[in-house]
Amino acid sequence: GAVVSQHPSWVICKSGTSVKIECRSLDFQATTMFWYRQFPKQSLMLMATSNEGSKATYEQGVEKDKFLINHASLTLSTLTVTSAHPEDSSFYICSARDQGVGFEQYFGPGTRLTVT
Amino acid sequence: QKEVEQNSGPLSVPEGAIASLNCTYSDRGSQSFFWYRQYSGKSPELIMFIYSNGDKEDGRFTAQLNKASQYVSLLIRDSQPSDSATYLCARKSGYNKLIFGAGTRLAVHP
Repeated sequence: GAVVSQHPSWVICKSGTSVKIECRSLDFQATTMFWYRQFPKQSLMLMATSNEGSKATYEQGVEKDKFLINHASLTLSTLTVTSAHPEDSSFYICSARDQGVGFEQYFGPGTRLTVT
Repeated sequence: QKEVEQNSGPLSVPEGAIASLNCTYSDRGSQSFFWYRQYSGKSPELIMFIYSNGDKEDGRFTAQLNKASQYVSLLIRDSQPSDSATYLCARKSGYNKLIFGAGTRLAVHP
């Protein structure tokens, strides 16, 4: 149980284009999903908290117009990196909280984004 | 001062030994702590969580929490080469968020 998937697992895009990353909870309902970014040899940095049916809450320093988050259902949240630049190249990881069980967050496998 | 601090390592231990990973935190009001393991290029996986002072054991893993001294530790008994990974300590912040440390890289050598 508690499986979270992400798609795609890796993506290469040209500078200036937009990329959408999907995060799905496969066997539970997630009212809250989280989006993290991890640069090489660094820890996970929370970008935003996504709540089903409402606007995402962004962490300080994260541009909401650049990183668009949509949480349209209890099993799906999407992150769109708009007008991507090479400095956006990173490992993007989502997690989901099972609303029925404690506080644990279950992580997706991550999406490696490379912007050329 | 970082909210959650970990020694980056690497911590090198021989196979079969006990690996001891430590984490300190600055917010004295923190209540809940989590240990995640992350293999290179993969996402973190939860090992265990601890809420109460003292020890919590799960198989080869023991988490220890000392709120007075503001530290959390993870002991791995009978370390195996497959335990080689980065171990992330995290504390719960507010209702929903996790604040992660930078992680300690563990290397278990045969």
